[in-house]
Amino acid sequence: DAGVIQSPRHEVTEMGQEVTLRCKPISGHDYLFWYRQTMMRGLELLIYFNNNVPIDDSGMPEDRFSAKMPNASFSTLKIQPSEPRDSAVYFCASGRETNEIFGPGTRLTVL
Amino acid sequence: KQEVTQIPAALSVPEGENLVLNCSFTDSAIYNLQWFRQDPGKGLTSLLLIQSSQREQTSGRLNASLDKSSGRSTLYIAASQPGDSATYLCAVRPRYGGATNKLIFGTGTLLAVQP
Repeated sequence: DAGVIQSPRHEVTEMGQEVTLRCKPISGHDYLFWYRQTMMRGLELLIYFNNNVPIDDSGMPEDRFSAKMPNASFSTLKIQPSEPRDSAVYFCASGRETNEIFGPGTRLTVL
Repeated sequence: KQEVTQIPAALSVPEGENLVLNCSFTDSAIYNLQWFRQDPGKGLTSLLLIQSSQREQTSGRLNASLDKSSGRSTLYIAASQPGDSATYLCAVRPRYGGATNKLIFGTGTLLAVQP
């Protein structure tokens, strides 16, 4: 079992560019979560899916952020346009019910 | 609104010491509480999960307790080792409001165990 796979691991981009983060959950897990971690705010849940359906997106900061889960084995988090304040580590996690397994994260830097 | 606080923010101890990390939460209506470990540049690893009906959980040198009525949990690490150096995060899962699967994290305690 390769665990939760995230790509890219590091992303550096310029303000205004579109950024797409990718996640492959663990096979058989029916929940998928996107978190953001910053020094100022710690770990925050952005959105989570159950059986590919978005359940709670109240943590998505604004319309520039969108997330999709087209099938059980893939999810994306897109930021368009990106801003310097979006710089953070973005974690994807998957699980069955209430025990998430976290991926290694994507460190995003927006210049 | 549920808030989770961890004290201290940072802790440095010599190898071999027993230590306690503290976590407090404002709303006792929780489904469970989890302790995680995060190494620099890495994701989170779940250490212990305590259901709301439980008082404690143990795994090796780690023991986590839960006192729901007072809104507190502690993580006890026995005979600390340099390999225990990491950030330890506490997270609660609220019981109500459709948030059964929504973890709320504390800000973490950065632990350094000196050899």
